[in-house]
Amino acid sequence: EAQVTQNPRYLITVTGKKLTVTCSQNMNHEYMSWYRQDPGLGLRQIYYSMNVEVTDKGDVPEGYKVSRKEKRNFPLILESPSPNQTSLYFCASSSDRLNKETQYFGPGTRLLVL
Amino acid sequence: AQKVTQAQTEISVVEKEDVTLDCVYETRDTTYYLFWYKQPPSGELVFLIRRNSFDEQNEISGRYSWNFQKSTSSFNFTITASQVVDSAVYFCALSVGLGNTPLVFGKGTRLSVIA
Repeated sequence: EAQVTQNPRYLITVTGKKLTVTCSQNMNHEYMSWYRQDPGLGLRQIYYSMNVEVTDKGDVPEGYKVSRKEKRNFPLILESPSPNQTSLYFCASSSDRLNKETQYFGPGTRLLVL
Repeated sequence: AQKVTQAQTEISVVEKEDVTLDCVYETRDTTYYLFWYKQPPSGELVFLIRRNSFDEQNEISGRYSWNFQKSTSSFNFTITASQVVDSAVYFCALSVGLGNTPLVFGKGTRLSVIA
């Protein structure tokens, strides 16, 4: 089944404790992206990747890191989480590296930073 | 700059009523792509439709239909004979140009269908 998976789905952590949210897709997609969703703000892009070893900042990259060592994986790293990073996070992938085709989203990761 | 406006924050309808969700976009590019996504209470984002700027044909898929009008920069979504399962947050999104540009989302419209 074609899908985007994220882990964990739910995470409660404390300020400053490094964490990684994994994202994996099995569709051989070139484009992958991370978004955060906050009430009243919709979805905002954090980082994206057009291919292996190619990543770039989205609209709200501060406090986040990403890497793309393999085509299928695109982990999101919070080196020192803060309460304002409490949010719902989505990973997405698309067959088109220029992001003009449909993006398929993972199930979401709900993060609470205390 | 690109922008998507979904002016309706929340809508409530009674089951079997028709409902239209508005989406107005802003861009100076002549090439762009419009999307609608559904987010049910379970939280996942479900793709509904993709449209490019050169195709103004309206689309119908079952009870769902989309009205794309470049003259008013709108891409409205209508649900006919709404059902409780249609209750969700609906997002309109825009991607512009031919190069790599981010997908810009509207803030979403929460639709509640009451039995």
